[in-house]
Amino acid sequence: DGGITQSPKYLFRKEGQNVTLSCEQNLNHDAMYWYRQDPGQGLRLIYYSQIVNDFQKGDIAEGYSVSREKKESFPLTVTSAQKNPTAFYLCASTTSGGTNEQFFGPGTRLTVL
Amino acid sequence: AQKITQTQPGMFVQEKEAVTLDCTYDTSDQSYGLFWYKQPSSGEMIFLIYQGSYDEQNATEGRYSLNFQKARKSANLVISASQLGDSAMYFCAMRAGPGGGADGLTFGKGTHLIIQP
Repeated sequence: DGGITQSPKYLFRKEGQNVTLSCEQNLNHDAMYWYRQDPGQGLRLIYYSQIVNDFQKGDIAEGYSVSREKKESFPLTVTSAQKNPTAFYLCASTTSGGTNEQFFGPGTRLTVL
Repeated sequence: AQKITQTQPGMFVQEKEAVTLDCTYDTSDQSYGLFWYKQPSSGEMIFLIYQGSYDEQNATEGRYSLNFQKARKSANLVISASQLGDSAMYFCAMRAGPGGGADGLTFGKGTHLIIQP
């Protein structure tokens, strides 16, 4: 089945540690995205990538980094510079053209202790 | 810049009634698209319906319809004959801007819909 996988579902880290969230898609989509969701809030864009080896900052990129070495993969690193990293992180992908409907993964809930 | 406003933080609706979730948007682009997503308590985002700015007809998908009023910049979601399984967060989102949506969606803060038996 085609889709987007994110791992792990729940992640706990100590303050000051970097952590990498995985996102893989087998939909052959060109563009991939990372969003952050805080309780009672909508989604905010962290980073996006429209093609391999290229990515752009979204609205809240500070304290995060990404890479896009393969079309299928778009990992997100939450660095120690991110002041409030505890949140729900959603990865999405889309084809170019058309409605640009975004398909979402199941999300990773990160808790920093 | 684009902005989505959802003014109903929460709604309680009786089962089998119709429900309207409000969404207003702001953009200076002529070409844009509007989406509604459902987020159950499990967290995944489920696509419901899409409306393009040039679409003349209101979008419909099964029990979901989008009441698109371009002049008012509103894109309300209508759910007919609500069911208990409709209880969830609902988000309105928009694609616009120079990338035509390839640079991400702008989301509202959501409406928490609870269907009561």
